[in-house]
Amino acid sequence: QKEVEQNSGPLSVPEGAIASLNCTYSDRGSQSFFWYRQYSGKSPELIMFIYSNGDKEDGRFTAQLNKASQYVSLLIRDSQPSDSATYLCAVSATGKLIFGQGTTLQVKP
Amino acid sequence: DTGVSQDPRHKITKRGQNVTFRCDPISEHNRLYWYRQTLGQGPEFLTYFQNEAQLEKSRLLSDRFSAERPKGSFSTLEIQRTEQGDSAMYLCASSPSGTVGTGELFFGEGSRLTVL
Repeated sequence: QKEVEQNSGPLSVPEGAIASLNCTYSDRGSQSFFWYRQYSGKSPELIMFIYSNGDKEDGRFTAQLNKASQYVSLLIRDSQPSDSATYLCAVSATGKLIFGQGTTLQVKP
Repeated sequence: DTGVSQDPRHKITKRGQNVTFRCDPISEHNRLYWYRQTLGQGPEFLTYFQNEAQLEKSRLLSDRFSAERPKGSFSTLEIQRTEQGDSAMYLCASSPSGTVGTGELFFGEGSRLTVL
């Protein structure tokens, strides 16, 4: 079992819709969870992090964490074509980050 | 430019040759990470340093891979006797010490390796 799992997609949504990206992790002791965005041909950049169960909102982005279910999600409201990218879920583990394989999001105008 | 710098950006080599990549982190960052990424996959952890100390190396990493950060500033990643399976993007990232809890790794643009 992979440590961090994501559906590779692609996930296709129309412009203005809500995009929902999901991630599960295997280490029940994990404490910190992150979402990175990676545009094609570019390096990953941090969007959000979340430590506590529940929701955390930042602009059009909401991260959700459920430690009991070992589940993290990212919601993107009012999706824009510029949101089209690969979204990487990452979990902290002994000083490093473990990344999932990423979910490719396509936002169609 | 005060971002993470990697060199070379592209390297094409023949199987069996050695290659070396260099990473210059953001100057005030104590931690330096190496990841490898192949098409359609997320970054795979290779190793990381705090200052000049190599704190962890992936168990999946072959002995052909070695990394150094001799003075706690720049780092090099060497791959000996390259194989076609080593073809990938090698990403370097840095972060201030003790902040992996915030998870903000600052990535360089990567060094793309093609092994023929």
